[in-house]
Amino acid sequence: DAGVIQSPRHEVTEMGQEVTLRCKPISGHDYLFWYRQTMMRGLELLIYFNNNVPIDDSGMPEDRFSAKMPNASFSTLKIQPSEPRDSAVYFCASAGSSNYGYTFGSGTRLTVV
Amino acid sequence: GIQVEQSPPDLILQEGANSTLRCNFSDSVNNLQWFHQNPWGQLINLFYIPSGTKQNGRLSATTVATERYSLLYISSSQTTDSGVYFCAVGSGGFKTIFGAGTRLFVKA
Repeated sequence: DAGVIQSPRHEVTEMGQEVTLRCKPISGHDYLFWYRQTMMRGLELLIYFNNNVPIDDSGMPEDRFSAKMPNASFSTLKIQPSEPRDSAVYFCASAGSSNYGYTFGSGTRLTVV
Repeated sequence: GIQVEQSPPDLILQEGANSTLRCNFSDSVNNLQWFHQNPWGQLINLFYIPSGTKQNGRLSATTVATERYSLLYISSSQTTDSGVYFCAVGSGGFKTIFGAGTRLFVKA
């Protein structure tokens, strides 16, 4: 398996623009997680899905953030409109209910100017 | 919510030395994992260990759930062990919280 695949690896955008981050989990994994990493706040869980259904989105900062998982092999995290304080590395991870260890993608480094 | 504390925050080792990293948590957990974030930012899962002891090569981990701590042992450290080691815990479902990490630098 190619592991968890995230795209793009880097994104630079202007304040106010819409940003869409993408994730393909490991085939057969039924849990998918979105995390954000910053120097100030460390690794924060934003939202997680089980069998494509959002289970807990209490970590989503505000209404500007939204996440979807239309099928078992694809998820998106959207920020609209983006702000400079959204600059961070966004990680996607997946896990299977038979082996709970997380596998992380390589992350997307987002810079909002 | 559950609190996670890792110690020490920073650690410098000479290559070949052994070390122990600690993770304390404030409530009972059903999910505990150790990760290594390498200098390029990649997060690698080292262990899923809500209780008991596991070993993988030069690394081993022990979780004493009743006393709410976990230890990660690194033996014969190598420069490639440098990076940040995170403990992540969950007390219900899959909502897993990360500690602040231990930053390790191994000198050649």
